[in-house]
Amino acid sequence: GAVVSQHPSWVICKSGTSVKIECRSLDFQATTMFWYRQFPKQSLMLMATSNEGSKATYEQGVEKDKFLINHASLTLSTLTVTSAHPEDSSFYICSATQGYTEAFFGQGTRLTVV
Amino acid sequence: AQTVTQSQPEMSVQEAETVTLSCTYDTSESNYYLFWYKQPPSRQMILVIRQEAYKQQNATENRFSVNFQKAAKSFSLKISDSQLGDTAMYFCAFMKHGGADSWGKLQFGAGTQVVVTP
Repeated sequence: GAVVSQHPSWVICKSGTSVKIECRSLDFQATTMFWYRQFPKQSLMLMATSNEGSKATYEQGVEKDKFLINHASLTLSTLTVTSAHPEDSSFYICSATQGYTEAFFGQGTRLTVV
Repeated sequence: AQTVTQSQPEMSVQEAETVTLSCTYDTSESNYYLFWYKQPPSRQMILVIRQEAYKQQNATENRFSVNFQKAAKSFSLKISDSQLGDTAMYFCAFMKHGGADSWGKLQFGAGTQVVVTP
């Protein structure tokens, strides 16, 4: 299957700083990318849908100014957690599709804010 | 809005035995897809099996099969001949048959932790 790569796999940042997570489709052009958040032992919660060249569509309750999503090319979407706080600590997962293909998932990024 | 319910937080099964995971969903959509995903300790999401709602025939992938009851909005997963490598969290997921700009948008259930013991 197609490969989606997230970077970094884990990151620790200080409270009040911003951190960027990248999601890349390595061998296909991703028309749509999705960002999910997963708390320990819980399910994946969709945060936003990202289409190349368009503004991201955020799910209800997700702060747009806190979680900045950019999908500048067909192979790269980024999630920036701005002014991170300990409650933003979580596991973030992206997925990508090309047209009507199945969704391919990245390996996830563990964010810890100290 | 759709809801996906997995009522079994954890299931334990011995190697070579069979285990069935339950999933129910609620939707007003007529055209949709259902999935089972596996998330092992590595936390990489792996697609196990997919079912198109318009297909009456239950999907099968090797040791994995589903029992899709559309009228009852039920979508259970059967793992046969369980192996140690099947130990993982299993998520049931729903996807509306939408346009290309939202294709792949998944709503997940709470998950069922499957533990396969020797």
